[in-house]
Amino acid sequence: NAGVTQTPKFQVLKTGQSMTLQCAQDMNHNSMYWYRQDPGMGLRLIYYSASEGTTDKGEVPNGYNVSRLNKREFSLRLESAAPSQTSVYFCASSANRDNEQFFGPGTRLTVL
Amino acid sequence: GENVEQHPSTLSVQEGDSAVIKCTYSDSASNYFPWYKQELGKRPQLIIDIRSNVGEKKDQRIAVTLNKTAKHFSLHITETQPEDSAVYFCAAWQGGKLIFGQGTELSVKP
Repeated sequence: NAGVTQTPKFQVLKTGQSMTLQCAQDMNHNSMYWYRQDPGMGLRLIYYSASEGTTDKGEVPNGYNVSRLNKREFSLRLESAAPSQTSVYFCASSANRDNEQFFGPGTRLTVL
Repeated sequence: GENVEQHPSTLSVQEGDSAVIKCTYSDSASNYFPWYKQELGKRPQLIIDIRSNVGEKKDQRIAVTLNKTAKHFSLHITETQPEDSAVYFCAAWQGGKLIFGQGTELSVKP
């Protein structure tokens, strides 16, 4: 069991470039999440997918889009990257909504 | 709005002492309160959680207490060890989402 995996681990973008962060889980979980982590601000929810086929906005959705490709995969897209999106991005999954969330290893993104 | 406040932001203790981290939440309907530990450069990992029908839960040196009336919950670590040094996050299930506190950086000095 790999748990939750994320690619890439590191990425540097220029302002205005686009990219997609990939996340996959092999635990047959229904719910998946994308968070960003900035110093002193904890983990803030960007988007989540309570079940396959559904997605909802979290606390900080502006500038991002998501796709729940199937039960295993949940991707995060930055259409036009901005320096304010420099952060560490974590994907997580849980069996159901108010259950333990398992986190991926994170993606460190820098936008110049 | 949905809010979780966590205090203190930093905590330094001597090895063997106890550490206490406190959180308050805003939504009285919240029913799930996990605590995560994040070591430097690593992912957050669940260390203990509690549901609203329970007032206290223990797991070896770690305990969590919940006061629903006051809308606050606390993490207690006894007999701290250097490997307990990390950032700890509380969270509360509010409005269909898990809302995290800002984190507490715990340093255990040998």
